[in-house]
Amino acid sequence: QLQESGPGLVKPSETLSLTCTVAGGSISSSTYFWGWIRQPPGKGLEWIGSMHYSGSTYYSPSLKSRVTISIDTSNNQFSLKLTSVTAADTAVYYCASFPNAGYNSYAFDLWGQGTMVAVSS
Amino acid sequence: EIVMTQSPATLSVSPGERTTLSCRASQSVSTYVAWYQQRPGQAPRLLISGASTRATGIPARFIGSGSGTDFTLTISSLQSEDFAVYYCQQYNDWPPTWTFGQGTKVEIK
Repeated sequence: QLQESGPGLVKPSETLSLTCTVAGGSISSSTYFWGWIRQPPGKGLEWIGSMHYSGSTYYSPSLKSRVTISIDTSNNQFSLKLTSVTAADTAVYYCASFPNAGYNSYAFDLWGQGTMVAVSS
Repeated sequence: EIVMTQSPATLSVSPGERTTLSCRASQSVSTYVAWYQQRPGQAPRLLISGASTRATGIPARFIGSGSGTDFTLTISSLQSEDFAVYYCQQYNDWPPTWTFGQGTKVEIK
């Protein structure tokens, strides 16, 4: 299971920070990738980035300059940091994972429940 | 950047009917396509990966097909719980990126 946590309100120009806790498995496992996806209110899904325990990290080109995803093995968590936020970053943020079993398996098969983050002063 | 275009935006279907959702990639993505179902207030649920492989626990009425640039998700006999929004998603191996379509809403007719 995956569970997101973090502030529900962030001020414009500040940094959004979220954590995803992994339960029932090890974040250090080589068999999974970990990722973040977001969904603005009433809109579709947007991939933010994905990371493997080995250190391989991939970001959306449109967000790459502002995003960092990292892993905390001691707490079995991975995190998202998004800098210089604006109202356009208001969304439900999901953490998710997919198996490292070949390109045809690179689909997010486990999702957290999502956490709403509003950007407002 | 690869763009995934879903059509139509909305489908009005009666329970028990068969329906087909379409997804087109702006360039070939082989079979690296997945389909998700999202009910209101819930996280997306994986239905199909590798264009045609049903995820664990997904009923056989969900059928994915396609390769290259054109993909379809067919629901053979719509049940009440199938009225939801469906998203396609592609994986591109270089640079590694994942892209979602804009979604198709399947509503009760």
